[in-house]
Amino acid sequence: AQSVTQPDIHITVSEGASLELRCNYSYGATPYLFWYVQSPGQGLQLLLKYFSGDTLVQGIKGFEAEFKRSQSSFNLRKPSVHWSDAAEYFCAVVSFGNEKLTFGTGTRLTIIP
Amino acid sequence: DTAVSQTPKYLVTQMGNDKSIKCEQNLGHDTMYWYKQDSKKFLKIMFSYNNKELIINETVPNRFSPKSPDKAHLNLHINSLELGDSAVYFCASSQHQGNSPLHFGNGTRLTVT
Repeated sequence: AQSVTQPDIHITVSEGASLELRCNYSYGATPYLFWYVQSPGQGLQLLLKYFSGDTLVQGIKGFEAEFKRSQSSFNLRKPSVHWSDAAEYFCAVVSFGNEKLTFGTGTRLTIIP
Repeated sequence: DTAVSQTPKYLVTQMGNDKSIKCEQNLGHDTMYWYKQDSKKFLKIMFSYNNKELIINETVPNRFSPKSPDKAHLNLHINSLELGDSAVYFCASSQHQGNSPLHFGNGTRLTVT
């Protein structure tokens, strides 16, 4: 069965600093991977996705993520965070032939001035 | 011009009552979903419909009954509400089933007292 692990429940970063949020997945074949962001009181918004091809994918709001098959990881990065990036971030996976998108438990990002 | 809209935004009710949450998408998508987000922000799929046909029905009490009158609408009816039903319920849609990214509504916060 597919699963997603986000090891960090809560991360605090200074504004302007770089950010990396970790995501590990468990699935035999190449999965389809996503990062979503949830601002307070809002639904989830897609940041980026990886299906195949170039393992470094660019998303909205200056985010990028790198798929590393050897590490079963799909970490999210941003070179310089802004206060508006404070939110909950979810990694998600859907495997080929499976219709269900499985979410990780989320990482809450706090930005300090 | 909201893409996925769900009503109401907040729902406070007593145990034993029956309530409904409505969802509509104007994106022309084929597939719609209901997700439940608990107090720890964990997101779990409940149901998925593709062109009005039920394709995913997770282990959800049969007090929960989805209804899709057409592919733009997916409503959720809950009978005999229990305290444990308190959560945020998200409607979402995707162009096709499988690996199409999801578009989420802003959620309905259900509180059962």
